[in-house]
Amino acid sequence: AQSVAQPEDQVNVAEGNPLTVKCTYSVSGNPYLFWYVQYPNRGLQFLLKYITGDNLVKGSYGFEAEFNKSQTSFHLKKPSALVSDSALYFCAVRDAPLEGGATNKLIFGTGTLLAVQP
Amino acid sequence: DTGVSQDPRHKITKRGQNVTFRCDPISEHNRLYWYRQTLGQGPEFLTYFQNEAQLEKSRLLSDRFSAERPKGSFSTLEIQRTEQGDSAMYLCASSSGGGRTGELFFGEGSRLTVL
Repeated sequence: AQSVAQPEDQVNVAEGNPLTVKCTYSVSGNPYLFWYVQYPNRGLQFLLKYITGDNLVKGSYGFEAEFNKSQTSFHLKKPSALVSDSALYFCAVRDAPLEGGATNKLIFGTGTLLAVQP
Repeated sequence: DTGVSQDPRHKITKRGQNVTFRCDPISEHNRLYWYRQTLGQGPEFLTYFQNEAQLEKSRLLSDRFSAERPKGSFSTLEIQRTEQGDSAMYLCASSSGGGRTGELFFGEGSRLTVL
């Protein structure tokens, strides 16, 4: 079964410093990986996805993610953090049933709270 | 606003009552998903529709839960005989026919509190 793990419950970073939010995955077949952000009492907003191609994926709000097949990781990064980046970040993987066929749901990690201090 | 809309945003009910949530997806999207999110957890998949057909249901979706998408447009999620453990944020998402590579677009969610 597909799964993702976010090993950090919380990441603290000072404004202006680079940030990394970690995600590792376990899949059978090709991984389709996603990052979403959630602000308090709001729905999830799509940031970026990896389907194929370049290992460095660029997304919304200056975020990017690096796909690393050998380490089965898909870490979210930003060169310079803003206080407004403080939110809950979710890594997700597209499900694929063992028996084949199309299953379109996303499986989410437990989330990482990013706190950016001014 | 042409995003996914959910109604109501907040619902407080007493244990044993029935509640219904509505989701209006992005108009051209044929795929619709319901998720549940509890505090400190990631969203958990409940069910998935392609057009009006309900193609997958999680085992989390007990017989007290039912979802419909009668005309392939809006969807409803009904919870009968609510329990305190049903308290959660119920998220609806939609996507286009991008298959396995397309991202999901989420609504703002419907927060349920069962007293």
